[in-house]
Amino acid sequence: SAVISQKPSRDICQRGTSLTIQCQVDSQVTMMFWYRQQPGQSLTLIATANQGSEATYESGFVIDKFPISRPNLTFSTLTVSNMSPEDSSIYLCSVEGPGNTGELFFGEGSRLTVL
Amino acid sequence: GQQVMQIPQYQHVQEGEDFTTYCNSSTTLSNIQWYKQRPGGHPVFLIQLVKSGEVKKQKRLTFQFGEAKKNSSLHITATQTTDVGTYFCARSNYQLIWGAGTKLIIKP
Repeated sequence: SAVISQKPSRDICQRGTSLTIQCQVDSQVTMMFWYRQQPGQSLTLIATANQGSEATYESGFVIDKFPISRPNLTFSTLTVSNMSPEDSSIYLCSVEGPGNTGELFFGEGSRLTVL
Repeated sequence: GQQVMQIPQYQHVQEGEDFTTYCNSSTTLSNIQWYKQRPGGHPVFLIQLVKSGEVKKQKRLTFQFGEAKKNSSLHITATQTTDVGTYFCARSNYQLIWGAGTKLIIKP
């Protein structure tokens, strides 16, 4: 299994500001995934972060709005830039479990409210 | 296209009643995963199905993968309050494609 520490767990932010979410894994992993989950909705993949290269963004998400860092194999950050109320959501980081099973492990999530 | 359709969106049951959620695809699935998300929590992996017609059980939970590998179901027998949450199916492509989820609500 993988243990993921994510912070902050929640925050209330003002419109126009930026917030950086951190994700720390207890083991080295190749890929880390950042998801958004809007209230009562399913999960939407924002981007995949690989160490040593730029993140790969999904349709509808851009680097200027959601810059991602991946400085090593156990850590990643996601920044939500120039926030608006529409960015209010839960942001989740996840990693694949060992053994190539495809199973995803998730952090506890960061619940973001933008006023 | 690659989406998975999951129904129903909600299911209200009395404690002790059964619960079922269905996941359907228009294309053949290489595999299907199921996750549970408790209220206020994060998704937790339950199982992965890969074989046509596969049936797996975890205590009161029964997971099925259709013969044509285009549908899957999760059935919970005799629901308990600990079963409350949202159950998601997800298909694996180069990334996971998630169903909309089915929220299990226990009537008071």
